[in-house]
Amino acid sequence: SQTIHQWPATLVQPVGSPLSLECTVEGTSNPNLYWYRQAAGRGLQLLFYSVGIGQISSEVPQNLSASRPQDRQFILSSKKLLLSDSGFYLCACTTSYEQYFGPGTRLTVT
Amino acid sequence: KQEVTQIPAALSVPEGENLVLNCSFTDSAIYNLQWFRQDPGKGLTSLLLIQSSQREQTSGRLNASLDKSSGRSTLYIAASQPGDSATYLCAAHDSGTYKYIFGTGTRLKVLA
Repeated sequence: SQTIHQWPATLVQPVGSPLSLECTVEGTSNPNLYWYRQAAGRGLQLLFYSVGIGQISSEVPQNLSASRPQDRQFILSSKKLLLSDSGFYLCACTTSYEQYFGPGTRLTVT
Repeated sequence: KQEVTQIPAALSVPEGENLVLNCSFTDSAIYNLQWFRQDPGKGLTSLLLIQSSQREQTSGRLNASLDKSSGRSTLYIAASQPGDSATYLCAAHDSGTYKYIFGTGTRLKVLA
């Protein structure tokens, strides 16, 4: 079965600093990959998804970007963080239409 | 545009009760409906996946049903235990897309 790794687990960054969150997947090949953000007390917001290497679809126009340099690697980045970027970031993959999630990264922008 | 709603937002029950969590979606054109559990500060754990051609799925004390025509799914938890305390989310996979639309969840507390 697939395993999703995310790091770091927690991150505190000042406004205006860059961001790089990494997600890697084990146990499956050619997965569809997803980045979600969950704000406190709210549902999951889909940020990006990818159906293959180098293929990125953006759902929310903002100062975040995503890249997929390898089949099982998905990276979320920002050049300059905003206070509103704070939240719980979750990476997910899909195998046979079922979604599986990583442990998440808690980002606090100060 | 698909919208997913979960009612109630929060639920508190005594241990041993059977309970039903509700999930409704506005567009019946879905591939499947998936139920998840989320513990505080953790990622989501998949509980049950119901394909669009199926009516229900069962795993242990959990049973999920799907009625596409009415845009509803229910998660039935039998003989609830304090360890079942968590937030339960449902997600609809839109047909023709790669997108999963999530509800905002039901926060369940089972009292010992």
